[in-house]
Amino acid sequence: AQTVTQSQPEMSVQEAETVTLSCTYDTSESDYYLFWYKQPPSRQMILVIRQEAYKQQNATENRFSVNFQKAAKSFSLKISDSQLGDAAMYFCAYRSGSGANSKLTFGKGITLSVRP
Amino acid sequence: NAGVMQNPRHLVRRRGQEARLRCSPVKGHSHVYWYRQLPEEGLKFMVYLQKENIIDESGMPKERFSAEFPKEGPSILRIQQVVRGDSAAYFCASSPGREMGTEAFFGQGTRLTVV
Repeated sequence: AQTVTQSQPEMSVQEAETVTLSCTYDTSESDYYLFWYKQPPSRQMILVIRQEAYKQQNATENRFSVNFQKAAKSFSLKISDSQLGDAAMYFCAYRSGSGANSKLTFGKGITLSVRP
Repeated sequence: NAGVMQNPRHLVRRRGQEARLRCSPVKGHSHVYWYRQLPEEGLKFMVYLQKENIIDESGMPKERFSAEFPKEGPSILRIQQVVRGDSAAYFCASSPGREMGTEAFFGQGTRLTVV
């Protein structure tokens, strides 16, 4: 079974600084997708960034980028120039296959606070 | 261009009552997923439906829980004879397809409290 582990329950970053959130996963599949979702206090789950396992190039979305290490099964999220609005819970998620196997498997999440 | 709409946002039920949670997917999306989130936990998969069909219900308890996604109308997650342990936030997500890279759009969830 696939598992996603986020071992840091919470992190804090100074506004305008950079922070990295860690995620590891376990799978026997060769092709899959990895995602980072943001959950602000409103509880709305918002997709931040996604990475296909077959792509070697790390995904980037504006201030958000990932460090994907397939052999190590590691998928960390880097937030540059942190803003107060980045404060939220962040969830790492995994998805493989299609059809009946297309569900997302989430980690426990990490609470990010941003200090002004 | 409405996103995924869930209602109610908050639902309080006494032990033994029934809870009905509704989810209207993004217009044109025919794939719906339900997840449950306990406090300080990530989302746990419950059930995956495609119009009128249950594709995967491996995460849903066999008793008291049921889900449907009729041809017309919202998807419904139904919990019969609720117990305190059912208290959680229930999220619905929809997507236009089931390919693994397809983005799933989430609703704001229904927070169920059983008293």
